[in-house]
Order: sequence, then C-alpha cells, then structure tokens
Amino acid sequence: AQSVSQHNHHVILSEAASLELGCNYSYGGTVNLFWYVQYPGQHLQLLLKYFSGDPLVKGIKGFEAEFIKSKFSFNLRKPSVQWSDTAEYFCAVTWNTDKLIFGTGTRLQVFP
Amino acid sequence: NAGVMQNPRHLVRRRGQEARLRCSPMKGHSHVYWYRQLPEEGLKFMVYLQKENIIDESGMPKERFSAEFPKEGPSILRIQQVVRGDSAAYFCASTGAASYGYTFGSGTRLTVV
Repeated sequence: AQSVSQHNHHVILSEAASLELGCNYSYGGTVNLFWYVQYPGQHLQLLLKYFSGDPLVKGIKGFEAEFIKSKFSFNLRKPSVQWSDTAEYFCAVTWNTDKLIFGTGTRLQVFP
Repeated sequence: NAGVMQNPRHLVRRRGQEARLRCSPMKGHSHVYWYRQLPEEGLKFMVYLQKENIIDESGMPKERFSAEFPKEGPSILRIQQVVRGDSAAYFCASTGAASYGYTFGSGTRLTVV
C-alpha cells in the first residue's frame, strides 16, 4: 500500500534555528507532493507543492522543500524559524490519482 | 469567492445518535474528499466523491458511515449510532475537474459523550 512517512514526530527549536522536517513516500509511479501546515485549532493551509520541474520548491512564509527522486524524499526546510511557526506540519502525496495520502505529521514547537 | 464551507464547526452527540456533517465545495469544484483526524494522529482518507457518485470509499468504515454528494446541495458525511471512538475532527477538501489544487475546509469537530 502507498504510504507517507514523517520520521520526526515532535521537534523543539529556539527562534532563529534552522529547520528540516523529513518526508519519505513509497514507490508507486508519478507523484505530486505537498506540505501543509495546521496552526492550533485551525484548518490545513498549503505551504508548497511539487508537480514537476525544478525539484527545489519555494513556498509561503520562507519555507522550501526539495524533491529527491532517488531517495523518495520531499523534506521541508526553513533557514530561520520564528515563534509563529509553531504548528503541526503534514507531508502529503498523490500517486497517479487525486487521492491525497498524508503522513502522521510533525509537531513543531519554537521557543523565543 | 468563498472557500470550502463546513458546518457545523463543532458537534456534540450522545452515544447512539446520528451525526451529519456538511461540506460545500469551492465554487467550480466538483470533487470532494473527506478526511478524519483523530487526536495526535494525521489525516486519514475516508471517501472521494464527485457529483452523485462515490469514486473511492476505501477509507470508510464498513458500518455506520456513509457519504453522499447530491446533484444539488452540499456533500454529507453521515455517522449513525455514534460511539466515543468517532470523536475526531472531520475535514473536507475540494478540487476542480483536472486540478491538484486541494482546498480544505475548517473542519467539524465531533465530540461523542
């Protein structure tokens, strides 16, 4: 079965630290890749997405992600986090179809 | 240009009652997806619908759960005879006909007491 893995369940950082959240997916053909953010008590917001082209994708709020096909990975990065980045981050993938499959999420806490 | 509208935002039901969750997709979107988010877990796919058709219900529990997306009106996720384990946030997303631009609603938080 197709699956998405997020290995970091809980990440704690100080402001200005760099962030990298891992996301790996299972093989299954053509993929489209997404990162979503969920602030406490709110709905999902799209940070960035990759369909094709440049494997380094820029998103909102200073986030970026790199698609590495050979590693089946789509890691999320941010050079310098802020307290307002405290949220839960979800990687999601579609394989050949429109159905989004989500990872279990990574909870990020940023302390001032 | 309203986004995906879900109502109610919060729903409390006693065990054994029925819960009805509504989702109105974005204007122009004809594909609707329902996801369930249990506490401390990610979003699990439940069902994918187009107007008057269920395309993929592989994530739906076999009993008590049903979904529809009629020709007119919102998509409805119906849970009969709710149990405590049904307490979760239920999110709806919509896309256009050949689009990968998923838009999520604010969710319905169901609490079964």
